[in-house]
Amino acid sequence: NAGVTQTPKFQVLKTGQSMTLQCAQDMNHEYMSWYRQDPGMGLRLIHYSVGAGITDQGEVPNGYNVSRSTTEDFPLRLLSAAPSQTSVYFCASSYGVGQGVNGYTFGSGTRLTVV
Amino acid sequence: GDSVTQMEGPVTLSEEAFLTINCTYTATGYPSLFWYVQYPGEGLQLLLKATKADDKGSNKGFEATYRKETTSFHLEKGSVQVSDSAVYFCALTYTGNQFYFGTGTSLTVIP
Repeated sequence: NAGVTQTPKFQVLKTGQSMTLQCAQDMNHEYMSWYRQDPGMGLRLIHYSVGAGITDQGEVPNGYNVSRSTTEDFPLRLLSAAPSQTSVYFCASSYGVGQGVNGYTFGSGTRLTVV
Repeated sequence: GDSVTQMEGPVTLSEEAFLTINCTYTATGYPSLFWYVQYPGEGLQLLLKATKADDKGSNKGFEATYRKETTSFHLEKGSVQVSDSAVYFCALTYTGNQFYFGTGTSLTVIP
């Protein structure tokens, strides 16, 4: 099925470990983004990309890196995990600017716990 | 800056009750407005949208009208079902790329 695929679904890390959350979409969407969801705070934008080779910071970028080498993939890297990064992470994609306001397609999320 | 404010939850209703979830926004321009729904253990799904003032978005019995004069986009449904139990997010965007989300309102419908 077409859509946004996130892996893994669950992950437990120790403080200081690194990991990469994977995100892939097969809809040829130009725009991809990462959000974190925390209780009482809604969704907050971490990083986004408007196309291959282009990334930018969102509202809460500290502690996270991204890259966009292909249109399909947009991995999120945690370089040194901290307990404050315990959250549910969502990847989302959409058509590019000027192609209609159609809303995001979201992945099913990655639940990350840092101990 | 731009922001979205939703009514605090959780909301608990009996089946077939009327639902209203309030959403107001602050915007520097003329955004499009959205409602997303998140079922347990899943990502957010687009429920409905409205792209300009006085537009009404509708889907699956849910409706919301873009009210510029009151800067509101309240979600309504005439008769809720147990299957409507979920978290509902109001959001705004200008370009369809970067969204500003509310904090979400949890709805539980009991038989």
